[in-house]
Amino acid sequence: GNSVTQMEGPVTLSEEAFLTINCTYTATGYPSLFWYVQYPGEGLQLLLKATKADDKGSNKGFEATYRKETTSFHLEKGSVQVSDSAVYFCALSDLGNDYKLSFGAGTTVTVRA
Amino acid sequence: DGGITQSPKYLFRKEGQNVTLSCEQNLNHDAMYWYRQDPGQGLRLIYYSQIVNDFQKGDIAEGYSVSREKKESFPLTVTSAQKNPTAFYLCASSSQRGYEQYFGPGTRLTVT
Repeated sequence: GNSVTQMEGPVTLSEEAFLTINCTYTATGYPSLFWYVQYPGEGLQLLLKATKADDKGSNKGFEATYRKETTSFHLEKGSVQVSDSAVYFCALSDLGNDYKLSFGAGTTVTVRA
Repeated sequence: DGGITQSPKYLFRKEGQNVTLSCEQNLNHDAMYWYRQDPGQGLRLIYYSQIVNDFQKGDIAEGYSVSREKKESFPLTVTSAQKNPTAFYLCASSSQRGYEQYFGPGTRLTVT
């Protein structure tokens, strides 16, 4: 079956630091990969996505590259801000699982001023 | 503005009572989903629907029921059979299955 493994948190950083959140996956087919962000008390927002190998998704300074050879989709941001404090979820969907989203457990990121 | 609305934001119920959570979307999306989120955990799929009048069980459907009588609406009923109903419930939709999902703001249900 499909599964997503995320780097465990919590992660605490200073403003302007570099952020990496590791995500690896197991899938039976050729999945689409997503990063979602959840701010306190809110629903999830799609941050970025990639639908095939070597695609790079990017949004709001965040980037992630779909690496089929290492089954990974690590999230990076070069200079974080306090407003980036949130929970980040890696997810995948593929035909083999009827396109249902499989989520990682989430990584809590706190950025200090 | 197009989007997904969930109401109410906070809901309190006594044990043994059924409760229905509302989810409405005006995105003209075909597919809709219900997830449950517990503290420090990822999301788990309860039910999903890809077209009107059709829905499928997700990974944790026991104790829940849904209906999809209209394209824009997908209400979730938490029944008294759900052993641990206190959680944050999220509704989502996508234009078609396999496309990215868009989430509502969630309903926090507390059962005492």
